[in-house]
Amino acid sequence: DTGVSQDPRHKITKRGQNVTFRCDPISEHNRLYWYRQTLGQGPEFLTYFQNEAQLEKSRLLSDRFSAERPKGSFSTLEIQRTEQGDSAMYLCASSPGQLSQGYGYTFGSGTRLTVV
Amino acid sequence: RKEVEQDPGPFNVPEGATVAFNCTYSNSASQSFFWYRQDCRKEPKLLMSVYSSGNEDGRFTAQLNRASQYISLLIRDSKLSDSATYLCVVNIIGTSYGKLTFGQGTILTVHP
Repeated sequence: DTGVSQDPRHKITKRGQNVTFRCDPISEHNRLYWYRQTLGQGPEFLTYFQNEAQLEKSRLLSDRFSAERPKGSFSTLEIQRTEQGDSAMYLCASSPGQLSQGYGYTFGSGTRLTVV
Repeated sequence: RKEVEQDPGPFNVPEGATVAFNCTYSNSASQSFFWYRQDCRKEPKLLMSVYSSGNEDGRFTAQLNRASQYISLLIRDSKLSDSATYLCVVNIIGTSYGKLTFGQGTILTVHP
């Protein structure tokens, strides 16, 4: 395992359906982040885990969104009752600990969600 | 006001040109600074960190002005492969998790 893996790469779903994405971070990284990116914008923070604890959720994360990291390893992001506005790239990133000068995140390739 | 602001461009430059991108951040508590590069439909990748004294990595030079809350990236001798979106990124130390806040990104196209 040399990087952050996300699955699926692409997801097309009908409005109102539920979707779930998976992220496998770099194995020794205890911090895991979810971001969302829409066209022409930079990534926007959604939520963060340290090990299995979800320590922060953005206001962007409505009640329809839930994220878990049950064993402190992989994480899932579920969106219930999808809306067209949920169409975006969902990015997962991990880091080994407290961010410091010189070290940022490593991102996965992302899951591109299209709600039709 | 956005926490991190960048000129979205696009910047269109010929090969060999020198191009500079600027970025401002609003939170004076920001402590770590980065430039990420993002290719079309790909994930962001760390290009370089930005140190207070300024730093250079090959053709790339990053500068930080804490007083003005301003970050810059200079690319010399542009290559076609430099075409990408460049994201200005800041982190506020003092929060326990080190959330990275991204700018909108600046689009660069290098043409022959």
